[in-house]
Amino acid sequence: GAGVSQSPSNKVTEKGKDVELRCDPISGHTALYWYRQRLGQGLEFLIYFQGNSAPDKSGLPSDRFSAERTGESVSTLTIQRTQQEDSAVYLCASSLGRGRLVRSPETQYFGPGTRLLVL
Amino acid sequence: AQSVTQPDIHITVSEGASLELRCNYSYGATPYLFWYVQSPGQGLQLLLKYFSGDTLVQGIKGFEAEFKRSQSSFNLRKPSVHWSDAAEYFCAVGATNAGKSTFGDGTTLTVKP
Repeated sequence: GAGVSQSPSNKVTEKGKDVELRCDPISGHTALYWYRQRLGQGLEFLIYFQGNSAPDKSGLPSDRFSAERTGESVSTLTIQRTQQEDSAVYLCASSLGRGRLVRSPETQYFGPGTRLLVL
Repeated sequence: AQSVTQPDIHITVSEGASLELRCNYSYGATPYLFWYVQSPGQGLQLLLKYFSGDTLVQGIKGFEAEFKRSQSSFNLRKPSVHWSDAAEYFCAVGATNAGKSTFGDGTTLTVKP
């Protein structure tokens, strides 16, 4: 079956412009996560969607960042008025979700990421 | 607050040699621990995870990790490294739902022929 897909794979934009990054999770996965990975660093949690519950936005670094998810499918991460420090790889992951009987930490399946460069 | 330290930024080993990647964590309760691998141009893949029970966890690709509560460590090991193991490895600690995981900065593994 298809894995998590993300588009675009690469995005170059000018400072001050808005960008939209897309994530298509694995079909049937109710949980979806966005992470940011700066060069040479680990993953930084941004936001988490679980079914129809309110998303956990605790990791969003500023109000320029927002994300939406349509039901239990595609998600879009939007960065407004981009800054050079936003340059990073943005990773999306999905998992089956808490709605099921979870006996152990869920395995997240990651997409290949979108590499964003803000000039 | 939870945190993860991977003390080695870069490790080089010869093909066929053994490997140990270090991970130290800080967490207020019993941690849930993960190791991920990120190969060039590919997404992260879960190697193994520790939830409870046996402190020696077996993962994919011949990797294993041992949870040592007294040392707050969760080191990753492989007895014989293959050239295809060259990648970046991330240790993470988190809650039941790994969406709240905290990741280390990663260790880059280079494999010499």
